[in-house]
Amino acid sequence: GENVEQHPSTLSVQEGDSAVIKCTYSDSASNYFPWYKQELGKGPQLIIDIRSNVGEKKDQRIAVTLNKTAKHFSLHITETQPEDSAVYFCAAEDSGGGADGLTFGKGTHLIIQP
Amino acid sequence: EPEVTQTPSHQVTQMGQEVILRCVPISNHLYFYWYRQILGQKVEFLVSFYNNEISEKSEIFDDQFSVERPDGSNFTLKIRSTKLEDSAMYFCASSEGIEYFGPGTRLLVL
Repeated sequence: GENVEQHPSTLSVQEGDSAVIKCTYSDSASNYFPWYKQELGKGPQLIIDIRSNVGEKKDQRIAVTLNKTAKHFSLHITETQPEDSAVYFCAAEDSGGGADGLTFGKGTHLIIQP
Repeated sequence: EPEVTQTPSHQVTQMGQEVILRCVPISNHLYFYWYRQILGQKVEFLVSFYNNEISEKSEIFDDQFSVERPDGSNFTLKIRSTKLEDSAMYFCASSEGIEYFGPGTRLLVL
């Protein structure tokens, strides 16, 4: 089955700086890669996703890059703000919202220092 | 904006008791899921459900677990005889191509 590794487990950045979180996956059949933000006591909220037919996607301060050859994908947050502090999870799936369900990474606790 | 809802938000039960966790998926979604998250760990897939039957299930989803869509709106997860290690946050999700998660039910088994 799929295995997703995520690094780092904790990331502390100064407000205004950029944050990068990296994930690798094992199953070459995976073609859907979402990123979720989880705030304390809440469910994961989708913030951005990418499918295997593109290499990069951007939404305002958030971008995701995908390298299918190397089987890794990354989340980039620019101009970080205090409200970006949360746990971020990457995930992979081979159908995108279909039967298989998502395989999650272990999460990155992002701390934005004022 | 439509959202997935879950009840109860918290559930405390004695080991060996049955619990039913309830979810109302987003109305036009066709796939439904249950995930669990043990405290401090990653979110783990339990089961997916489509067209009134289980599509896929993980090795966690053993005979103690069952899912049901009893009517047109609710989707339930039943744990028949809870164990201490079932204590976790349980998330329901629904999908029309992208999975949207509910706020979760925190289950504590004593």
